[in-house]
Amino acid sequence: KAGVTQTPRYLIKTRGQQVTLSCSPISGHRSVSWYQQTPGQGLQFLFEYFSETQRNKGNFPGRFSGRQFSNSRSEMNVSTLELGDSALYLCASTTIGGDTSEQFFGPGTRLTVL
Amino acid sequence: EDQVTQSPEALRLQEGESSSLNCSYTVSGLRGLFWYRQDPGKGPEFLFTLYSAGEEKEKERLKATLTKKESFLHITAPKPEDSATYLCAVQATGGSYIPTFGRGTSLIVHP
Repeated sequence: KAGVTQTPRYLIKTRGQQVTLSCSPISGHRSVSWYQQTPGQGLQFLFEYFSETQRNKGNFPGRFSGRQFSNSRSEMNVSTLELGDSALYLCASTTIGGDTSEQFFGPGTRLTVL
Repeated sequence: EDQVTQSPEALRLQEGESSSLNCSYTVSGLRGLFWYRQDPGKGPEFLFTLYSAGEEKEKERLKATLTKKESFLHITAPKPEDSATYLCAVQATGGSYIPTFGRGTSLIVHP
């Protein structure tokens, strides 16, 4: 079974630009979560999508947005990039069911904002 | 609010020197506790899920244990390829499925 894939793997942007990241979950997984990881803050939850609806949202400004398509693929968008947005952006997919839901992560997109 | 604290922040071991990583948690009710391994520049790789106090799981040189307040990841006779950051996360009962992650323990195993 193929794992979670994320594209692109690396991005370099300048302040003020916008960026779109893509995530394809494991086949059959309907929940996709996005995280920002930085050395200083660790893994911070951005938002979660389930069946094309945003179900949970972390404490990030409105510049960070996302969506999920009918095939469960998800995109996240960051507008008006700031230097502090430089981070590893991770996508995780989950199959909801049972008592727990283990998250399986993709390799991440390394975003550098200059 | 759910909290996860991992210690130590960093750990250096000699090859073959066994040790343990700690994950202390505060949660209203535990649905599951997860351990992940993360290599530099890569996404976390799932290792274990523990559900209830007293449970243990093993994988190669790793063994995870769980009590009502903490989890340990025991590393027996580590090798340099075990060098990575180990993340712990808890999922609470009720509410969302979103886990709360600790900051991780960076493990370096010297040959």
